[in-house]
Amino acid sequence: QKEVEQNSGPLSVPEGAIASLNCTYSDRGSQSFFWYRQYSGKSPELIMSIYSNGDKEDGRFTAQLNKASQYVSLLIRDSQPSDSATYLCAVSGGYSSASKIIFGSGTRLSIRP
Amino acid sequence: KAGVTQTPRYLIKTRGQQVTLSCSPISGHRSVSWYQQTPGQGLQFLFEYFSETQRNKGNFPGRFSGRQFSNSRSEMNVSTLELGDSALYLCASSFRSGRAGPDNEQFFGPGTRLTVL
Repeated sequence: QKEVEQNSGPLSVPEGAIASLNCTYSDRGSQSFFWYRQYSGKSPELIMSIYSNGDKEDGRFTAQLNKASQYVSLLIRDSQPSDSATYLCAVSGGYSSASKIIFGSGTRLSIRP
Repeated sequence: KAGVTQTPRYLIKTRGQQVTLSCSPISGHRSVSWYQQTPGQGLQFLFEYFSETQRNKGNFPGRFSGRQFSNSRSEMNVSTLELGDSALYLCASSFRSGRAGPDNEQFFGPGTRLTVL
């Protein structure tokens, strides 16, 4: 079992709709959860971090964390073509990884006009 | 505040050579992590340095090594290059190294694209 799992996609969403990206993790002791956006040929950019159960909103982005289910998600409202990118879920603070950040393989999101 | 900088941005080497990549973290950040990114393997953790000490190490052969200086700048070295070492090498910095909290948020540099011929 991979430590951080994401559906590789591509996930195709019409412009203006809500894009929902999901991630599961295996280390129950994980404490920090991050979402990065990576455009083709560029480096990852941190867009959201979440540390406690529930929702965290920042503009059009909402991160949701459910530690009991070991599940974290990212919702993008009013999707724009500029949101087309690969989204990386990352987790740290687990019993086995401590300070190391473990990345998922990413979900490729495509926003169609 | 200036972001993470990496030099060089592009590098072409031949098999058997060695290479040194450099990373300057965000001012005030003391933790530097290195990653290798390839299309097939995704983002793979190499190692993390904090206050000049290696804190974590990924599953890479000993040809991959790194160090951190007193000003938090870090270098990674790859000796005896192989074709499979062709990748984007990313450096990320954070304020500190630990289990949780915003101080652990990592910010990436632009990367060094290494091509081994």
